[in-house]
Amino acid sequence: DAKTTQPNSMESNEEEPVHLPCNHSTISGTDYIHWYRQLPSQGPEYVIHGLTSNVNNRMASLAIAEDRKSSTLILHRATLRDAAVYYCILRARGNTGNQFYFGTGTSLTVIP
Amino acid sequence: DGGITQSPKYLFRKEGQNVTLSCEQNLNHDAMYWYRQDPGQGLRLIYYSQIVNDFQKGDIAEGYSVSREKKESFPLTVTSAQKNPTAFYLCASSIDQPARNNQPQHFGDGTRLSIL
Repeated sequence: DAKTTQPNSMESNEEEPVHLPCNHSTISGTDYIHWYRQLPSQGPEYVIHGLTSNVNNRMASLAIAEDRKSSTLILHRATLRDAAVYYCILRARGNTGNQFYFGTGTSLTVIP
Repeated sequence: DGGITQSPKYLFRKEGQNVTLSCEQNLNHDAMYWYRQDPGQGLRLIYYSQIVNDFQKGDIAEGYSVSREKKESFPLTVTSAQKNPTAFYLCASSIDQPARNNQPQHFGDGTRLSIL
């Protein structure tokens, strides 16, 4: 299964942009890139997903490298409520279950 | 609102006892999943089900059992054979069609299981 690599932790000052990187060098052509975040003692929450083009929604932006081997989740203005563990995962086409491989994610600390 | 409901939120198990964690969804999703999360760790897949009356083992199925008698329900039993059951258990669901791998998973709020 295609897997991802993320830094264990990152810090950001409140109201500044945050760029969370993810490497997925073994991505296949039909794999979607998904991002989730998890607050303490809660289930993961969907943030955004994309295939090839950059994506924007009300929560964040997703920038996908041209070769698709890496992506970056962008939080435009970090707030204290954005402090969470962020997971980058790949979902392959044609299968289910094991494809949602979450790994350990990046723990984001937002400094007031 | 549609969503996934897990119960109970906290559960205690005695040595040698089986316990069952409930997971119900009203999203009309075909696929359902159970994950285990240990402190400071990511999610590990226990079991998943793509359709009623069918389920598959994930990476860490030993000591667990599931059933999928109804589309909306996917209970997980932690058996006495699971020697280290203390963890945070998460249930999820998703649309499960091969041409729609862009669909996200929806998660419940989890059940925290501890050993007495």
